[in-house]
Amino acid sequence: KNQVEQSPQSLIILEGKNCTLQCNYTVSPFSNLRWYKQDTGRGPVSLTIMTFSENTKSNGRYTATLDADTKQSSLHITASQLSDSASYICVVSAGDTGFQKLVFGTGTRLLVSP
Amino acid sequence: DTAVSQTPKYLVTQMGNDKSIKCEQNLGHDTMYWYKQDSKKFLKIMFSYNNKELIINETVPNRFSPKSPDKAHLNLHINSLELGDSAVYFCASSSRGASPYEQYFGPGTRLTVT
Repeated sequence: KNQVEQSPQSLIILEGKNCTLQCNYTVSPFSNLRWYKQDTGRGPVSLTIMTFSENTKSNGRYTATLDADTKQSSLHITASQLSDSASYICVVSAGDTGFQKLVFGTGTRLLVSP
Repeated sequence: DTAVSQTPKYLVTQMGNDKSIKCEQNLGHDTMYWYKQDSKKFLKIMFSYNNKELIINETVPNRFSPKSPDKAHLNLHINSLELGDSAVYFCASSSRGASPYEQYFGPGTRLTVT
């Protein structure tokens, strides 16, 4: 069964601190892995997309890593800001050609406090 | 200049009613999706259309009927609404030609069935 699990479920950090969110997946056939940020009351917005051959990708203060062997990914947030408070969702795309189906994790809710 | 828009943003209705949610994208994408996000914030795909043709139907009750009048629109009609239909429904779009094709999400429609 295709599954994506994330940890921790929620996290509180002080503004300016770094944090790392984890994602484990069992999805086959693997196509790519995405990290989305979802602000309260908004739709998810893509942060990074990594294919099988990529093991790290950055987007500003966000850096995602991918270990396709262990089927794990992490999202590292550097120098957190209050606006980073949101849910972060790990999404794995299943399918090798044509139409890919996204399998969503349940997300990590991050709160950055002043 | 909204990329993916949905109407209405909020919908409160009684059990047994029939309601529709509309989605439009101005990105020139050829594929559109409907997702359901439940109270635990878990996103799950319901339908996907490519060039007005249904390509993914994830075991959704037949009370839900998507309709795509053209590539830029994907509407969701729900008959005989039930309490369990209460959720946030997200529309998304992507371009099959791009790889790995990014999905852009709308702002969501919060449906409350009383």
